[in-house]
Amino acid sequence: EAEVAQSPRYKITEKSQAVAFWCDPISGHATLYWYRQILGQGPELLVQFQDESVVDDSQLPKDRFSAERLKGVDSTLKIQPAELGDSAMYLCASSLRRGAAVNEQFFGPGTRLTVL
Amino acid sequence: ELKVEQNPLFLSMQEEKNYTIYCNYSTTSDRLYWYRQDPGKSLESLFVLLSNGAVKQEGRLMASLDTKARLSTLHITAAVHDLSATYFCAVDMDSNYQLIWGAGTKLIIKP
Repeated sequence: EAEVAQSPRYKITEKSQAVAFWCDPISGHATLYWYRQILGQGPELLVQFQDESVVDDSQLPKDRFSAERLKGVDSTLKIQPAELGDSAMYLCASSLRRGAAVNEQFFGPGTRLTVL
Repeated sequence: ELKVEQNPLFLSMQEEKNYTIYCNYSTTSDRLYWYRQDPGKSLESLFVLLSNGAVKQEGRLMASLDTKARLSTLHITAAVHDLSATYFCAVDMDSNYQLIWGAGTKLIIKP
């Protein structure tokens, strides 16, 4: 069964360090999303890609966060420097494409980030 | 601003009981999704509701959508412990192909 892959699953870092997360969407899915989820809350969209293009990054803290999807397949989310408040679960999701009849999003296992 | 409100936010119930989780939203949409999240895990798609009057059932869970009332319900029949999880509804924004998420309902089912 096709799945969204993410790595690492867990990351512990000290504040001011750089961290990077990787996501490989379901094959053929053109739309990719990065979410942040704080314990006890719903997912918060950080960035949305359609193929290699950023569609929406209005909620991405651009002074420290960056995201890319250079070849329109896998994607990397980076935080530099990490802050204590960045501790959260980072989720990657993919869906077929913008304009599809169904925008069902499929989620990867997530990366649990702890900033000390 | 589109708002998605779930209630209750927390529900503790006994096994074998029935209950309903409600998801209200504030703008026109005819596509709504339900997801399940186990503690420390990712989100799993449960139901895709694509039109007014849509009803989907899987085991002890049944979801429905009333687009005129802007309301979706997730009904649990004869609850069992394995259904303990947090349940999220998400409304599809046609304009930008994003989902607007409810805050989630944490469901605890006690033996």
